[in-house]
Amino acid sequence: ETGVTQTPRHLVMGMTNKKSLKCEQHLGHNAMYWYKQSAKKPLELMFVYNFKEQTENNSVPSRFSPECPNSSHLFLHLHTLQPEDSALYLCASSQEGGLETQYFGPGTRLLVL
Amino acid sequence: AQTVTQSQPEMSVQEAETVTLSCTYDTSESDYYLFWYKQPPSRQMILVIRQEAYKQQNATENRFSVNFQKAAKSFSLKISDSQLGDAAMYFCAYRSGNTGKLIFGQGTTLQVKP
Repeated sequence: ETGVTQTPRHLVMGMTNKKSLKCEQHLGHNAMYWYKQSAKKPLELMFVYNFKEQTENNSVPSRFSPECPNSSHLFLHLHTLQPEDSALYLCASSQEGGLETQYFGPGTRLLVL
Repeated sequence: AQTVTQSQPEMSVQEAETVTLSCTYDTSESDYYLFWYKQPPSRQMILVIRQEAYKQQNATENRFSVNFQKAAKSFSLKISDSQLGDAAMYFCAYRSGNTGKLIFGQGTTLQVKP
């Protein structure tokens, strides 16, 4: 596999469920990102990890919990979400100190009922 | 704080014609990068073209080119010889040279008519 992959591609969950989104990058990058894309709104940066360390939390509610076990994998743990959290969640990676262009995964379409 | 504005929510172009998508940004920084990303209906965000602020020469990638006007803080994307596969949402993005944060515009949906 090449590039940035995300699983699952689609997820439907109830407000009391706990689920996790997974992102994996095969580009040898050292930075990874979570974005939220809602209809009619610009992409919103949620979290940034550089060399596995969280460097930015963009005022994201605690019901979203990121985890970066290594520079190739990024998770977003979800619990007690609200219907307004329904959106497309995009993962991206980049090589900080290099070209720094962010490469995106295909996204996970999340629906919270 | 930096902002990115795409004033055209929707654009359409005839196949084989040329179209220009507008983008303006606001910043007090001198070191930054600008990008155009394409998001087709399949949802995979793809980099189209990038421009370093310190470079005066406009970036080009095959049929895609930019008109970078640093003083005016304008970064438009020109698509020549438009193809049906160019239909997508296009996002302009600003990357701070200081914080590394990527800020996106609202997007422009491009329709290509056969």
